[in-house]
Amino acid sequence: GAGVSQSPRYKVAKRGQDVALRCDPISGHVSLFWYQQALGQGPEFLTYFQNEAQLDKSGLPSDRFFAERPEGSVSTLKIQRTQQEDSAVYLCASSLRGTLQQETQYFGPGTRLLVL
Amino acid sequence: KNEVEQSPQNLTAQEGEFITINCSYSVGISALHWLQQHPGGGIVSLFMLSSGKKKHGRLIATINIQEKHSSLHITASHPRDSAVYICAVVTTSGTYKYIFGTGTRLKVLA
Repeated sequence: GAGVSQSPRYKVAKRGQDVALRCDPISGHVSLFWYQQALGQGPEFLTYFQNEAQLDKSGLPSDRFFAERPEGSVSTLKIQRTQQEDSAVYLCASSLRGTLQQETQYFGPGTRLLVL
Repeated sequence: KNEVEQSPQNLTAQEGEFITINCSYSVGISALHWLQQHPGGGIVSLFMLSSGKKKHGRLIATINIQEKHSSLHITASHPRDSAVYICAVVTTSGTYKYIFGTGTRLKVLA
C-alpha cells in the first residue's frame, strides 16, 4: 500500500507569508507526528496526534505554528507570518496504534520550506 | 550538552569494513530507534530497541540500558549503506517526547 505522503515537496515563501503543509498518513494509522529538521541537524519533535486529538504540542516553536487533524486522517501544519528561521524540512510520520514506545514510525519524504 | 549524542559525526569507510556508530543518552527512555536517512530526506526506521540486541541482515543494534548507550553495527559495508544514521529515544518523562540525535553521516567508498 501507499506510504506516508506529504505535499508540497518544496515550498518557497516570502517572509510574512502564511504556509500550509499537508500530510497523508498510511491509511488506518492512529498516530501522526510532525517534526522539523534544520539543515545538518537531526529532526526535532513538533507535535503528536492520536486520531483527531492533539495529545502533545510541546515542540511547536511559537504560536505561529498550528497543526490539525480534524478527521483523524490527513493533517495540516500551518505556519503563519513565516520567518527565515522557519526554513527547514518538515517531516511527518505515522504509526499504526497509539502505543508510542513499541511502534515503528513510517516517515514521509518531507516538505522542504525556504523562507526568503 | 545534548540529551542524545552520537559519535562519530562523520565516518568514511572502505567497502567491506565493519562499522560502528554510537549513541549515548542522558534521559530515561522507554525505547530507542535507529533511523536511516538518505539524501533527499527519506527516513527509514531500522530498529526499535528497549533491551538487548537485534539483527537484520548486515545490521546489528545493541542497547545497554544501565549505561545509557546503544550501538549500530554494519558488517561488510557497501556503498549503498552511505546515508545519515540517526538515533532517537522515546523519553519516559512528560506526556511524550521523542528526541533525536544529530546523526552520523556515513560514506562507504567502493
